[in-house]
Amino acid sequence: EDKVVQSPLSLVVHEGDTVTLNCSYEVTNFRSLLWYKQEKKAPTFLFMLTSSGIEKKSGRLSSILDKKELSSILNITATQTGDSAIYLCAVDEGNFNKFYFGSGTKLNVKP
Amino acid sequence: SAVISQKPSRDICQRGTSLTIQCQVDSQVTMMFWYRQQPGQSLTLIATANQGSEATYESGFVIDKFPISRPNLTFSTLTVSNMSPEDSSIYLCSSGYADGYTFGSGTRLTVV
Repeated sequence: EDKVVQSPLSLVVHEGDTVTLNCSYEVTNFRSLLWYKQEKKAPTFLFMLTSSGIEKKSGRLSSILDKKELSSILNITATQTGDSAIYLCAVDEGNFNKFYFGSGTKLNVKP
Repeated sequence: SAVISQKPSRDICQRGTSLTIQCQVDSQVTMMFWYRQQPGQSLTLIATANQGSEATYESGFVIDKFPISRPNLTFSTLTVSNMSPEDSSIYLCSSGYADGYTFGSGTRLTVV
């Protein structure tokens, strides 16, 4: 079964909109959750979250982890066409930095 | 975060041949990871490579098909052996530290 589930699978918005991407997980020994942006081949690291309730912010992007709900959200405010990408969530389980990736959310920001 | 150089960027290969992908990290890292991303899919971990020991392969991946070398703390290679069209994918290496893990630029492999 999938250990990391992202929703929605795809999303179309217009510039200036705010979007919220979701990631839920189910792993035995959670250590961290990571968000990546993938535009071409290589995912670009956005955030690593380890503590519940502490928001990480970078410009218009922010993310927060809820360990009780086994989930995380990624918010993008005032979206731009350059935000169009696939956003991947990954969860690090256990002692060996073993990452499980979700299927991603494909975001399309229209002008 | 670590900076990883990966090559080749892309290649088109004949079935039955092998391709070796290289990753060079700008600092010493304990673990390196190799992923495959098939068209339209998310990333799947192939194996984890520690320096000085055999790589640990995930279910569905075997050493004979995907031999990995890790001769030192800054370098690793993945070979895709006896290729078939089903091996057409993006291959990515990854490594980093406790504050984040980065990826190489990826290798887009097409097997014809």
